Amino acid sequence: KAGVTQTPRYLIKTRGQQVTLSCSPISGHRSVSWYQQTPGQGLQFLFEYFSETQRNKGNFPGRFSGRQFSNSRSEMNVSTLELGDSALYLCASSEGPPISYEQYFGPGTRLTVT
Amino acid sequence: AQKVTQAQTEISVVEKEDVTLDCVYETRDTTYYLFWYKQPPSGELVFLIRRNSFDEQNEISGRYSWNFQKSTSSFNFTITASQVVDSAVYFCALSEANNNAGNMLTFGGGTRLMVKP
Repeated sequence: KAGVTQTPRYLIKTRGQQVTLSCSPISGHRSVSWYQQTPGQGLQFLFEYFSETQRNKGNFPGRFSGRQFSNSRSEMNVSTLELGDSALYLCASSEGPPISYEQYFGPGTRLTVT
Repeated sequence: AQKVTQAQTEISVVEKEDVTLDCVYETRDTTYYLFWYKQPPSGELVFLIRRNSFDEQNEISGRYSWNFQKSTSSFNFTITASQVVDSAVYFCALSEANNNAGNMLTFGGGTRLMVKP
């Protein structure tokens, strides 16, 4: 099976702009989670989607949003970008509830905000 | 709230040495899952192992072994006869089984392992 894919791999944006990142999960996986990784804060959970519904959300401002499509592909959006949003954004897919299956991560999208 | 602590931020060993990466966790749930992931320089997190809170058996996979002890809330990871290819950042993570938590992983800060030839 193909792994988790994320596009684009690299992005450079300017403060105030918005950005959309895309994630395609492993075939058959219905749960998609997003994480932000920065040197200062480490790996932090953003949100999880299952069956097109947001199942859980981390402690991030409303500028961070996401959605999931019927084919389980997911997008996350960050509006009004700030310098602190520069990070590696990782998407993970798993089979989904009810139990916590292992999550398989994509290669990430490295976002730089200037 | 759940928390994962990896006290060792960086470890350096010489090839063929054994090395243990420590992980201590906190949770109020009685049912939870523990994970280890490897992050090589390429950046992708590679899944290594998942254990549930009811299974305290130690596990061995090749040169890798894991020691889960509920009494000390620890889930330590040992690499035997380390190799240069083991150089990476290793993350321990926790997921609670209650419905509100979903699949959310709480990660430790990571341990950077450098294996020198």
